[in-house]
Amino acid sequence: AQSVTQPDIHITVSEGASLELRCNYSYGATPYLFWYVQSPGQGLQLLLKYFSGDTLVQGIKGFEAEFKRSQSSFNLRKPSVHWSDAAEYFCAVGAQAAGNKLTFGGGTRVLVKP
Amino acid sequence: DGGITQSPKYLFRKEGQNVTLSCEQNLNHDAMYWYRQDPGQGLRLIYYSQIVNDFQKGDIAEGYSVSREKKESFPLTVTSAQKNPTAFYLCASSIGDSQPQHFGDGTRLSIL
Repeated sequence: AQSVTQPDIHITVSEGASLELRCNYSYGATPYLFWYVQSPGQGLQLLLKYFSGDTLVQGIKGFEAEFKRSQSSFNLRKPSVHWSDAAEYFCAVGAQAAGNKLTFGGGTRVLVKP
Repeated sequence: DGGITQSPKYLFRKEGQNVTLSCEQNLNHDAMYWYRQDPGQGLRLIYYSQIVNDFQKGDIAEGYSVSREKKESFPLTVTSAQKNPTAFYLCASSIGDSQPQHFGDGTRLSIL
């Protein structure tokens, strides 16, 4: 079965500083990986996705993520955080063999200090 | 604009009552999903449907029911058998295998 772990429940970062959110997954074959962002009381917005090919993926809002098969990781990064990046971030893994179901991590809440 | 519409935004349920959450999409997506989100937890899959008139149970289907009579619509009924229904419910849709899911803005269900 697929599983996703986001080790950090909360992260606090200063505005303008860099941000890295960790995601580790467990799946036997090559997974499809996604990062979503959720503002309070809202749905989830797709930041970026990895299916195959280049392991460094660019997304919206200046985010990028790197797929590392050897470490079963798909960490999300942003070089310079803006106050509007304060939100909850979810990593998700899917697989064609699983009927396109997604398994989500528990989420990381990001707080941005002025 | 294409998207997913969930209604109502807030819903209250009395003891012993069934309630239905609406989810409509105009993205022409084949697959639709219902998730439950509890504070501090990720999303857990309740039911999903990959095609009209067909649906499968997810990880936490007990106490819930769905129907998929039209491609655009995937309503979720929270029955009285669901003893802890207070949560944020999210509906999503996808064009197909391995494609990203697009989410609605959610319905928050509370118990009176």
